[in-house]
Amino acid sequence: EAGVTQSPRYAVLQEGQAVSFWCDPISGHDTLYWYQQPRDQGPQLLVYFRDEAVIDNSQLPSDRFSAVRPKGTNSTLKIQSAKQGDTATYLCASSLTEDTQYFGPGTRLLVL
Amino acid sequence: GDSVTQKEGLVTLTEGLPVMLNCTYQTIYSNAFLFWYVHYLNESPRLLLKSSTDNKRTEHQGFHATLHKSSSSFHLQKSSAQLSDSALYYCALSRGSNAKLTFGKGTKLSVKS
Repeated sequence: EAGVTQSPRYAVLQEGQAVSFWCDPISGHDTLYWYQQPRDQGPQLLVYFRDEAVIDNSQLPSDRFSAVRPKGTNSTLKIQSAKQGDTATYLCASSLTEDTQYFGPGTRLLVL
Repeated sequence: GDSVTQKEGLVTLTEGLPVMLNCTYQTIYSNAFLFWYVHYLNESPRLLLKSSTDNKRTEHQGFHATLHKSSSSFHLQKSSAQLSDSALYYCALSRGSNAKLTFGKGTKLSVKS
């Protein structure tokens, strides 16, 4: 069974540029999570979906970040105008309802 | 809100010595789930242990932890460290087994020969 896949694995941007991250969850998993992990910190939840519905996006900076999961499978996280403070690893995870979260390898973002 | 504290940022051990990584938590939710995730270099973080049962020992791959609700602790232990145990270990909490995870800052375990 394929795991959670993410792309790209690395991204380097100048401040003000936009970037999108993609996540392909494990087949059949209904719940998908996006976490932000700054250097030397634990992952912090940004948003999560059950199927195509947003369950919690309270920690997503809505002025610059957006996330969608239109068909309840793959998901995209977008940063409209990146800031240096967005430098972090972005982790995607998926799970079946009431079960373990499985993480992808992450996308490492550096904003110069 | 919920929080998880891992006081040690780095633990360095000699192979063969016992491992203990500390984790304490705060939540108002009575049925919290506690997790240990392990993150090896160049791999994805993966679940090592989880528990929601008070005072019950949970074991996997030589590691064990016991959830103590009276002291809000879920320390990770292993009787004998191996070089291959070198990794980042994260303690995490959720309000249900499939609710959002609140992570600690992580403890880097470095095992030397």
